[in-house]
Amino acid sequence: EIVMTQSPVTLSVSPGERATLSCTASQSVTTNLAWYQQQPGQAPRLLIYDASTRATGIPARFTGSGSGTEFTLTISGLQSEDFAVYFCQQYDNWPPLTFGGGTKVEIK
Amino acid sequence: QVQLMQSGAEVKKPGSSVKVSCKASGGTFSDYSISWMRQAPGQGLEWVGRIIPSLGIANYAEEFQGRVTLTADKSTGTAYMELTSLRSDDTAVFYCAKTLKLEWKADFFDNWGQGTLLTVSS
Repeated sequence: EIVMTQSPVTLSVSPGERATLSCTASQSVTTNLAWYQQQPGQAPRLLIYDASTRATGIPARFTGSGSGTEFTLTISGLQSEDFAVYFCQQYDNWPPLTFGGGTKVEIK
Repeated sequence: QVQLMQSGAEVKKPGSSVKVSCKASGGTFSDYSISWMRQAPGQGLEWVGRIIPSLGIANYAEEFQGRVTLTADKSTGTAYMELTSLRSDDTAVFYCAKTLKLEWKADFFDNWGQGTLLTVSS
């Protein structure tokens, strides 16, 4: 099973600033990695797939990068609606499909 | 745009079973697979298994193997997850989610159901 580790667990950022979230895989997943955003009480929403492709309707301030075992989600110019929990997910080698434990982006 | 609508919250006793539905509206049921995820209160996402509705083929996470059965009814565009031998640690929100496409190494999820809260308590 591929273990996905996200850091930090909590990230405090001021509105308008940049947030950088990390996701590390226990073995290479090439670029078969997705990022999701989850607001309290809501289902996750797909942001990025194939490590760097934005999903339909996702603003350009969300950028995914990385390959192999190290991945980054960058959110530029944080807006109020961006304060949420973010999960990464690998789909390179499964079953099982695996998710990271999440990073909560909170208002500083 | 496919939308997924799940059945309502359930309260079950330990040892019993639950069957949750996930109805797809719009799109073609044969163009994607559907996975189910479990999210315990305040926790992350755990993959339960997936089904390819057009083929009826299902794969399960080892942790749930033997306790979960995924099925799909192509005539109604509805997927189902049945979980048996319920335990208190099954208390969670269960989500269904569809893949963007039905291709090798494309098992990420572009649409999610709203979630079904399962509470297991004596």
